[in-house]
Parts: sequence; C-alpha cells; structure tokens
Amino acid sequence: DAKTTQPNSMESNEEEPVHLPCNHSTISGTDYIHWYRQLPSQGPEYVIHGLTSNVNNRMASLAIAEDRKSSTLILHRATLRDAAVYYCLSPGGSGNTGKLIFGQGTTLQVKP
Amino acid sequence: DVKVTQSSRYLVKRTGEKVFLECVQDMDHENMFWYRQDPGLGLRLIYFSYDVKMKEKGDIPEGYSVSREKKERFSLILESASTNQTSMYLCASSPRDSRQGPGGEQYFGPGTRLTVT
Repeated sequence: DAKTTQPNSMESNEEEPVHLPCNHSTISGTDYIHWYRQLPSQGPEYVIHGLTSNVNNRMASLAIAEDRKSSTLILHRATLRDAAVYYCLSPGGSGNTGKLIFGQGTTLQVKP
Repeated sequence: DVKVTQSSRYLVKRTGEKVFLECVQDMDHENMFWYRQDPGLGLRLIYFSYDVKMKEKGDIPEGYSVSREKKERFSLILESASTNQTSMYLCASSPRDSRQGPGGEQYFGPGTRLTVT
C-alpha cells in the first residue's frame, strides 16, 4: 500500500489561492491519487482524484508531478468554508475493492 | 444526491452490551466501509465489503464484526462493547467504477458518536 505524507497544518488568507502538497513516493503506476476533505462535525467528502494528468473540477484543481511522486491540491480562492482537514489518499489493497488509506491530513485554517 | 445514512448520530451504551450500527446507502454501490475516527489517529478502516455477503478486515477489526445481507445495508457489530470503543464511527460507500480505477469516490455518512460507559 502506498503511503502519503502531508504537512500537519497550513494557513491561508481568505480569497487567496491555497496549495496543499502531498508526497506519495511509493505509489504504483496504476494507483490513483484521491483528495478528500472533512469539515468540522461532518464525514469526509470527496474533492478530486487523478492519475497522471492535471485535473480540474468545480471544487479544486489537482496538479500531479510528472514522476507522480507528489501532487498538489489547489484551491483557487480560499473561503472561510474551506477550513477543513484535507486528506491525500492512495488506494490500498489489490483489485477494485475501493479501499483507501487515510493519513493524518492537513488542517487548513483560513483567516478573514 | 447520493445519500449514506447512519442509524444514530449519538449513542450511549454500557460496557459489555452488544451494539449494532446500521448504515444504508441509496446509490446501488458495490463497496461499503466502516471507519472509526479518533483524535490524533485519523480515520482507521475497520471492515469493508465489496459485495453482498462479502467482507474483508481493515486495519483494526478486533472487537468488531460486520454483516452485509443486502447490497444497500452494511452493519457494524460490537459483540461486547468496551470503553476503548468510544469513538466516532463513519460509514462510506463507493461504486465499483472501472473508469476511476481502484479506489473510486467514497461517499460518507454523517457519523455516529458512540460512547461506551
């Protein structure tokens, strides 16, 4: 199972871009990289995932390094509602069992 | 909207009681998961199931069992509750979608905060 490493915490100012890094140096060539976030008192929610190419959706962008050993989640304009714990995940187990391994995540604080 | 519901938001049980935590999803997902979340330890996978009547141990299965008799329902059972099982329990489901590769998008329920006294 691939292991991911993220900073424990980050701070951002409201309406500024935020770049959340993740290292996954042991990821295999076919493993997707997933990002989730957990708002206070809620279950985690899916943010974005990718394999090799950069990905964009309505919530965020995902930039994946060419060697796939790291990725960056980009929030283009942070809002106070983006304050959450952000998890960078890799799949665990073989086959399509859907198992994901959650690490400690990065706690993002957004200052007004 | 995908919905994952859990039977209770808050539950208080006594040591030694048998506890059932129920999870239901309405999106016909193949995969279902039970996690517990504790401060400083993050989310840890207890059990998961990728088909009816199938189950696999996660990282911390001791003291727990599960049941998946129907596709939409995944139950977590604490055979004899202990105080160290006081935690937030989260259920999730995901489709087996080959386009997303292994993993897929997991949808989480709101969680059950269980206190064992």
